[in-house]
Amino acid sequence: GAVVSQHPSWVICKSGTSVKIECRSLDFQATTMFWYRQFPKQSLMLMATSNEGSKATYEQGVEKDKFLINHASLTLSTLTVTSAHPEDSSFYICSSPSGRNGVGEQYFGPGTRLTVT
Amino acid sequence: AQKITQTQPGMFVQEKEAVTLDCTYDTSDQSYGLFWYKQPSSGEMIFLIYQGSYDEQNATEGRYSLNFQKARKSANLVISASQLGDSAMYFCAMREGNNAGNMLTFGGGTRLMVKP
Repeated sequence: GAVVSQHPSWVICKSGTSVKIECRSLDFQATTMFWYRQFPKQSLMLMATSNEGSKATYEQGVEKDKFLINHASLTLSTLTVTSAHPEDSSFYICSSPSGRNGVGEQYFGPGTRLTVT
Repeated sequence: AQKITQTQPGMFVQEKEAVTLDCTYDTSDQSYGLFWYKQPSSGEMIFLIYQGSYDEQNATEGRYSLNFQKARKSANLVISASQLGDSAMYFCAMREGNNAGNMLTFGGGTRLMVKP
């Protein structure tokens, strides 16, 4: 299957600092990247959709100025959590449909566990 | 209204037995896709099986099969011959429309625990 890498796999930061999470498609061109957030014992909630070369589309309730998404190339999308607070502590995971088999299967990165102290 | 509903927060199954994880969905689209993903404690999302709305046959992938009942809008996952390594969270998801690049909407998940 298609491979999506995500870095870092975990990060601990202090309240008020910013954290950048990178998502790379290694063997396909990711025109679209989805960013999800997953709190403990909960499901994945879509935060935003990014398309290469255009502005991201944010889901209702997600602050676009706090969660900055950049999708400048077909293989890299980044999510920056600005001025992080403890309530931003969560598991962040990206995914992209590779389009290889036409069914829309999404390939997920391994996720980033963010802890804000 | 919830688009994807998984009514079983947790399930136990004896090793080597079969188990069914329930999933119902709600959409007005004629074209859609249904997915099941496995999420072990490591957090990675592992694709298991896919069913298209126009597929007449139930999808199967090894020990996984999808019991697709379109009129009832259900897409239950059946795992045969459960193994200890099957213990994980399982998520049902739906893609609406026929664009393979559309987003997925996830259900709340079911935690499966396989007993030795």
